[in-house]
Amino acid sequence: QVQLVQSGAEVKKPGASVKVSCKASGYTFTSYDINWVRQATGQGLEWMGWMNPNSGNTGYAQKFQGRVTMTRNTSISTAYMELSSLRSEDTAVYYCARGQWLANFDYWGQGTLVTVSS
Amino acid sequence: QAVLTQPSSLSASPGASASLTCTLRSGINVGTYRIYWYQQKPGSPPQYLLRYKSDSDKQQGSGVPSRFSGSKDASANAGILLISGLQSEDEADYYCMIWHSSAPVFGGGTKLTVL
Repeated sequence: QVQLVQSGAEVKKPGASVKVSCKASGYTFTSYDINWVRQATGQGLEWMGWMNPNSGNTGYAQKFQGRVTMTRNTSISTAYMELSSLRSEDTAVYYCARGQWLANFDYWGQGTLVTVSS
Repeated sequence: QAVLTQPSSLSASPGASASLTCTLRSGINVGTYRIYWYQQKPGSPPQYLLRYKSDSDKQQGSGVPSRFSGSKDASANAGILLISGLQSEDEADYYCMIWHSSAPVFGGGTKLTVL
């Protein structure tokens, strides 16, 4: 069965960086894009960007350009999202989601809570 | 103005039907978009429900009951998620999504209360 398992909760100070992992199993990792979506407490869903695990190509939402980097390690079927220059407004649950271009996100990770606090 | 607008909350009774709307911003024609719907329960990630563009271009998510269906109201420039035979387990947040300018955009979500 398809599974996306994310790394555990993080607490970071303002200005620091965080790197969240998303390990895929149950399908061919390089056949589907990995998207990252975040959700602040009590708020809606916000798309951050996508990565094609086969090519390594990425596309980022304008809001996060220059602060986010999405990478992967195909040997262990794992995608990564690194967000830098953290501020309190980045406190949120970060989800990875499997999808294809112009299509739905059919499987989601369990989410990783990132707390930014001094 | 947001690309997608959803009412923040909706209440309905068990056994009744609920119609959740997702209104596209003026100038963005609902007829040209596939609208995706997700359900999210507290403490859980979103789950894909279905996709609807037209009766000939639609998709039900794997394992999603047929009482969840999609449609459009062209006059209102809106996508609609219809849930019939409401059950207590349908109480959740519902999000619509479209791909707009090569990026996915989510609506703000509707909290559905079944009481």
